Amino acid sequence: GDSVTQMEGPVTLSEEAFLTINCTYTATGYPSLFWYVQYPGEGLQLLLKATKADDKGSNKGFEATYRKETTSFHLEKGSVQVSDSAVYFCALSDLRGGGYQKVTFGTGTKLQVIP
Amino acid sequence: SAVISQKPSRDICQRGTSLTIQCQVDSQVTMMFWYRQQPGQSLTLIATANQGSEATYESGFVIDKFPISRPNLTFSTLTVSNMSPEDSSIYLCSVLRQGEPGYTFGSGTRLTVV
Repeated sequence: GDSVTQMEGPVTLSEEAFLTINCTYTATGYPSLFWYVQYPGEGLQLLLKATKADDKGSNKGFEATYRKETTSFHLEKGSVQVSDSAVYFCALSDLRGGGYQKVTFGTGTKLQVIP
Repeated sequence: SAVISQKPSRDICQRGTSLTIQCQVDSQVTMMFWYRQQPGQSLTLIATANQGSEATYESGFVIDKFPISRPNLTFSTLTVSNMSPEDSSIYLCSVLRQGEPGYTFGSGTRLTVV
């Protein structure tokens, strides 16, 4: 079945450092790929998405490129801020029987940015 | 994106009791789902809430423990029945609108069973 593997945390960075959170996936079809963010005490928010190979999703300075050849969707940001401290989930969705999309989540990576 | 109101936001319950969580969406949506996020874990899909019919449960989840209702296209409830401390989790409502490839999530219900 489908699966998502992302780097374990926690990741601790200084403010303005470069961020990479690795994510790789396994899917039988051609999934859409997502990054969700969960701030402390809150639910999940969609951060960015890419629906086909070579697409780049971007939002709030974060970027991720859908790499079919390496089955990866790594999250990057050039300069992190303290307010970026959160848990980041990589996810994919693929069509299942019945025509709707099941979403498979990675285990989450906690990011802590220190001043 | 759809706006989801999920209530209660948190609760502390006695073991053996039940809690009903409500999910209200500001517009009609195609699909509604319920997830569980255990402490420090990722999200696990409990079930798909089907309008006017029984929910579709994922492996490991049963209707007697997690009865779900969805009377219309904008509202659903999840009940956690006969609770034990192992049910302490965050429960999240999620929706999917036609044409959107990603889910929108409610802010979650943080449940502690004592």
